[in-house]
Amino acid sequence: EAGVTQSPTHLIKTRGQQVTLRCSPISGHTSVYWYQQALGLGLQFLLWYDEGEERNRGNFPPRFSGRQFPNYSSELNVNALELEDSALYLCASSLAGKKGDTQYFGPGTRLTVL
Amino acid sequence: GDSVTQMEGPVTLSEEAFLTINCTYTATGYPSLFWYVQYPGEGLQLLLKATKADDKGSNKGFEATYRKETTSFHLEKGSVQVSDSAVYFCALRSSTSGTYKYIFGTGTRLKVLA
Repeated sequence: EAGVTQSPTHLIKTRGQQVTLRCSPISGHTSVYWYQQALGLGLQFLLWYDEGEERNRGNFPPRFSGRQFPNYSSELNVNALELEDSALYLCASSLAGKKGDTQYFGPGTRLTVL
Repeated sequence: GDSVTQMEGPVTLSEEAFLTINCTYTATGYPSLFWYVQYPGEGLQLLLKATKADDKGSNKGFEATYRKETTSFHLEKGSVQVSDSAVYFCALRSSTSGTYKYIFGTGTRLKVLA
């Protein structure tokens, strides 16, 4: 069974640019989560999508946004990049509802903002 | 609100030493509890979980027991190996009004010396 996949693996952008990160969940999983992991810090929850809808959002500015497609894959968009956006962005997927207590993580996308 | 507190690292041990990483939580209701591990350059992997009080999760020689009376889920291993060097995250999943929330601790870095 294929795991959660993310693309690209690495990305280098400059301040003010925009970036799109992509995530494909495990087959059968309808929930997708996005986290930011800055260097030396823990996971900060960004967004949760389920069945195409945004279910919850972390404490991040509106320039962080995303969507979930009918095939349950997801995109994370970050506009007007700032230096402090440099981080590892992790995507996770799970089954929906009560069955979805375990999250399965992808390898992450390393974003560097110069 | 719900929270997870885990001991700060880094924790440095010699090979074959006993490991304990403390984790306590605050949550309403009966959350599910998890330990995830992150090896260098990778995403998080589920290590073990427990879904109700007094459950013991175990995997790869690691164990943790869901203690509701002390709201704890401490991770233990009797004899660590160099390959156990990683960052360990304690996490919970709680349910409120049909909405699920995941909370991760800040992570504890473990370094095992040969």
